[in-house]
Order: sequence, then C-alpha cells, then structure tokens
Amino acid sequence: DQQVKQNSPSLSVQEGRISILNCDYTNSMFDYFLWYKKYPAEGPTFLISISSIKDKNEDGRFTVFLNKSAKHLSLHIVPSQPGDSAVYFCAATPTILTGGGNKLTFGTGTQLKVEL
Amino acid sequence: KAGVTQTPRYLIKTRGQQVTLSCSPISGHRSVSWYQQTPGQGLQFLFEYFSETQRNKGNFPGRFSGRQFSNSRSEMNVSTLELGDSALYLCASSPRGKPDNSPLHFGNGTRLTVT
Repeated sequence: DQQVKQNSPSLSVQEGRISILNCDYTNSMFDYFLWYKKYPAEGPTFLISISSIKDKNEDGRFTVFLNKSAKHLSLHIVPSQPGDSAVYFCAATPTILTGGGNKLTFGTGTQLKVEL
Repeated sequence: KAGVTQTPRYLIKTRGQQVTLSCSPISGHRSVSWYQQTPGQGLQFLFEYFSETQRNKGNFPGRFSGRQFSNSRSEMNVSTLELGDSALYLCASSPRGKPDNSPLHFGNGTRLTVT
C-alpha cells in the first residue's frame, strides 16, 4: 500500500523555467511533509518542509504548496538550474503518532533533468 | 562539522549469513533512523532510536534489528540474509528527532549485495 505517491517518474525542464514536482498521499494522519533531493551515490539531502497548518512555504528558489483537501503537495523550483538535476523524494509523517519522532514515509521519487 | 558516517560503503554477503552495519551520527544528534532503499519499494523506514531506545519501528521482519549506544552511534543487524535484502541501507540523524524542527541528515549509505 503506497501511502505517498509520486506518479511522474521523470521530468525534463529547460534551464530558467519552472519545475513542478507533484506528490499525493492517502493517509489522513500525515501532518508534516518534506522534500528531499538525492544525487547518485549520495544520501538524500533535505530541501524544504511544510506543516499541515500551512498551505505554502518558501525558501529561496523552492516553494512547497499543500492542498489538504486534495491530499496533494507540490514542489516548485524557480528558476530551474542544471545543478537541480537529481531525484526528488517527497516524504510525510504523522507526528502525533510517532511520539514526536522520525518515521518518514517516502514516495518513489521523480528524476528531474534540467537541460541547457 | 562531520556528517553522518556509515561503514562499510559496500558489502557482499551470501544467503543465510548475517551482517552488521554501522552508523555514526552528526555530533550532538541523539536520534538515529535507518531506511532501506530498493528499486522496487523505494525508501522504507526500518526503525528509529533515540537515547538508546527504539522509538519507532517499520514493517520489517524480526531478522532486522538495531541498537544505539550511549554515544548515539548505531548499528543495524540483518540475520539469515535473503536475496531480497540486497539494497542501499541509509542511516539518518537529527538533534532531537522532531521532524518539524530538525530534518533528517542522511549518510551516503551502505550498499549490501546478497548472493
């Protein structure tokens, strides 16, 4: 049962344009969401997060949007740069159930390629 | 500040053997989590340790176990290895283990191959 889904395995965008990566979830207990970026042969790197009490969070070129009613979140990267080419994972956790701890459920990832 | 260190980077084992993987968290971090990454299942949560106690556990069989030492270093053990255990095992640490104010910092993983 895939509780966090990233339906697009890959995305190709031109440099300078907007990249939009999507993620859907099914577990209504999830209340905190994160995006991680992963390069080959490295561990995932934290990008940005959002709590369920918000619908938007920005950090530089990265913005995450959360639509709770649709159980959908998206990551916008503007402008996209070649160095952004990586696999992007969304993750979710039900903080109220984990005793404040870490138990992330990850999506399967989207390979972003930013072309010159 | 040194990052999360996992040893060894690569490991080849035979079915039926057991294996121990090691993780040294970032200095001062008390929470250590383990994840398994496979092409078919993606990143899956194994367990989390905080102050030497297992705080959360994923849906893996009892062959997968872990522990945390007083210096926050952690080990995970897989007994009676199966071919399906071949994966990248990732360790992650955070200061207090609360995802809302201390996101996970991942190591580069241990690539386990079971033949």
